[in-house]
Amino acid sequence: NAGVTQTPKFRVLKTGQSMTLLCAQDMNHEYMYWYRQDPGMGLRLIHYSVGEGTTAKGEVPDGYNVSRLKKQNFLLGLESAAPSQTSVYFCASRPTSGRFHEQYFGPGTRLTVT
Amino acid sequence: AQTVTQSQPEMSVQEAETVTLSCTYDTSESDYYLFWYKQPPSRQMILVIRQEAYKQQNATENRFSVNFQKAAKSFSLKISDSQLGDAAMYFCAYRSGGGATNKLIFGTGTLLAVQP
Repeated sequence: NAGVTQTPKFRVLKTGQSMTLLCAQDMNHEYMYWYRQDPGMGLRLIHYSVGEGTTAKGEVPDGYNVSRLKKQNFLLGLESAAPSQTSVYFCASRPTSGRFHEQYFGPGTRLTVT
Repeated sequence: AQTVTQSQPEMSVQEAETVTLSCTYDTSESDYYLFWYKQPPSRQMILVIRQEAYKQQNATENRFSVNFQKAAKSFSLKISDSQLGDAAMYFCAYRSGGGATNKLIFGTGTLLAVQP
């Protein structure tokens, strides 16, 4: 049981390049989330998904797209990377059952855009 | 909109001593949950403790406990018998009780240093 995994762990992009971050979970969770973490700002929600085939915008969605073609995977895409997207990206998932609806986080991806 | 405020960017504690990290939040909701997450240098987000707003009793997990003051909208974390492994960034987070998103709203974090 690997929990939530993220690929890659580190990446350096040039401005204008594109890339996709992959999040995978093996806990059969319905809900998945993408956050970004910037110094002094905590974690902010980019996009989320409440189930396979569904996605929705979070707090800071501009410049990102997402897809949830399979229940276990949640992809975050940057079509044309900008230096402002330099950040650490976290994926999380949670079950629909349980009182606290605890979110389980991946190890993060550090992205630098030059 | 809900907000979470952590007013202490950095804190320091001696090993074996007790430290309290502050968190305040703003909400008009009555049903919500509060969490403390620990982020060590590995970057992994680890859930430390959680509290339901409708429960008056403060949550406790081993050396970690909270002081939940609902009227004051305060949710502080107390770490007793601090250990070197407690050194990390600590985030306070809020989640609404209802709604489809169940998204977490995070504070800006408190960096805790533990001195040997």
